[in-house]
Amino acid sequence: EVQVVESGGGLVQPGGSLRLSCEASGFSISDHYMDWVRQAPGKGLEWVGRARNKPNSLTTDYAASVKDRFTISRDDSRNSLYLQMNSLRTEDTAVYYCARNAEHYYYGLDVWGQGTTVTVSS
Amino acid sequence: QSLLTQPPSASGTPGQRVTISCSGSSSNIENKYVYWYQQVPGTAPKLLIYRSNLRPSGVPDRFSGSKSGTSASLAISGLRSEDEADYYCAAWDDSLSGRVFGGGTKLTVL
Repeated sequence: EVQVVESGGGLVQPGGSLRLSCEASGFSISDHYMDWVRQAPGKGLEWVGRARNKPNSLTTDYAASVKDRFTISRDDSRNSLYLQMNSLRTEDTAVYYCARNAEHYYYGLDVWGQGTTVTVSS
Repeated sequence: QSLLTQPPSASGTPGQRVTISCSGSSSNIENKYVYWYQQVPGTAPKLLIYRSNLRPSGVPDRFSGSKSGTSASLAISGLRSEDEADYYCAAWDDSLSGRVFGGGTKLTVL
């Protein structure tokens, strides 16, 4: 079965750090761009960032709201994607989803995890 | 404030046809593909439309997408109770060099 499973969420104080993981199964992330998308409580979807795959230079893009605080990395040997979050703010509280870009769907996000919840609070 | 503007709510009765609009600009919708996602509360989003008007395998043909200029629309015909969900449009934005989502539209089936 093709799926991704996020983990690593939890409660963290403002200014703290947290690392989220996304483990894929049923496909190789090395073949895909991978995104992180978040959803604050009761709010809409917000794109966090994207990691391109090796044929596309492994480059990353970030939303302005997280740039210079969050870092996306990938370990293709572990078939996993990561989101390192530093200098966390209360407004980063959200469910964080990992999602696969499908080239055959023109880079639509076709596989999503169940999400992991991050709460930033003192 | 999202760069893609959607109405916050829409509604219809079973069997009806409803449309949800998504307004953007030349840096996103006008020159990029539009995607639509369906999210039933408490679950992950699901890709409904890609490349502005194509459906992934498994998505019923009751769902259709269109684009004209800086706006896009999602139409749902033969409305069913299970279509009650939040719907989001999305596109790449060249000025931000990032993906942008609309604010979402909550569809109620009366």
